[in-house]
Amino acid sequence: EVQLVESGGGLVQPGRSLTLSCIASGFTFGDYVIMWVRQAPGKGLEWVGFIRNRAYGGTIEYAASVKGRFTISRDDSNSIAYLQMNSLKTEDTAVYYCTRGVNYDFWSGLHYWGQGTLVSVSS
Amino acid sequence: QSALTQPASVSGSPGQSITISCTGTSSDVGGYNYVSWYQQHPGKAPKLIIYDVSYRPSGVPDRFSGSKSGNTASLTISGLQADDEADYYCYSYAGSYTFLVFGGGTKLTVL
Repeated sequence: EVQLVESGGGLVQPGRSLTLSCIASGFTFGDYVIMWVRQAPGKGLEWVGFIRNRAYGGTIEYAASVKGRFTISRDDSNSIAYLQMNSLKTEDTAVYYCTRGVNYDFWSGLHYWGQGTLVSVSS
Repeated sequence: QSALTQPASVSGSPGQSITISCTGTSSDVGGYNYVSWYQQHPGKAPKLIIYDVSYRPSGVPDRFSGSKSGNTASLTISGLQADDEADYYCYSYAGSYTFLVFGGGTKLTVL
């Protein structure tokens, strides 16, 4: 059974940093793109960024809203993905989901989602 | 990147059918057969219900169906049930520069 479990959310002050983790199981982690998606309270879904699988060099792409502040990484040997968030803003307040696609990439859609972890940015 | 356009809300009575539209451009919805749909109940993670325009993951009832015409994709739910009341989001692959785009979401109310 495919599972994604996020952790690391919490309350943080503006300008500070936070790192989220996503522990995966039930599939060969290194073969898949992992995407982070967030949802602000009462709002829609927004992709944050994704990290390609090893077949595509593990390269990373970010949404414009977080580029330069957020960093995604992966540890294929332990099946963990990370989202390091720096210079946090109040508008980064959201539930953050770790996701995996239907196929090795994300084109067809996001089949598996973690339960989400809430990040609240407030002074 | 601009969101795909969905109606803010739709409603229907139990047993009826409803359709939710998702309008994009030739750079996303119209350019690829990579539209997917998600159902989200309050406080829960989104659930994939349609991928590649019209395919259902295992376990999703055939009451849910997807289609596409030009730059607009559609999700149809037939035989509405109370548990279908949820938010629905569309998603499209958008090429190797924009990558992907979500719709703004549609709240389905079962009357």
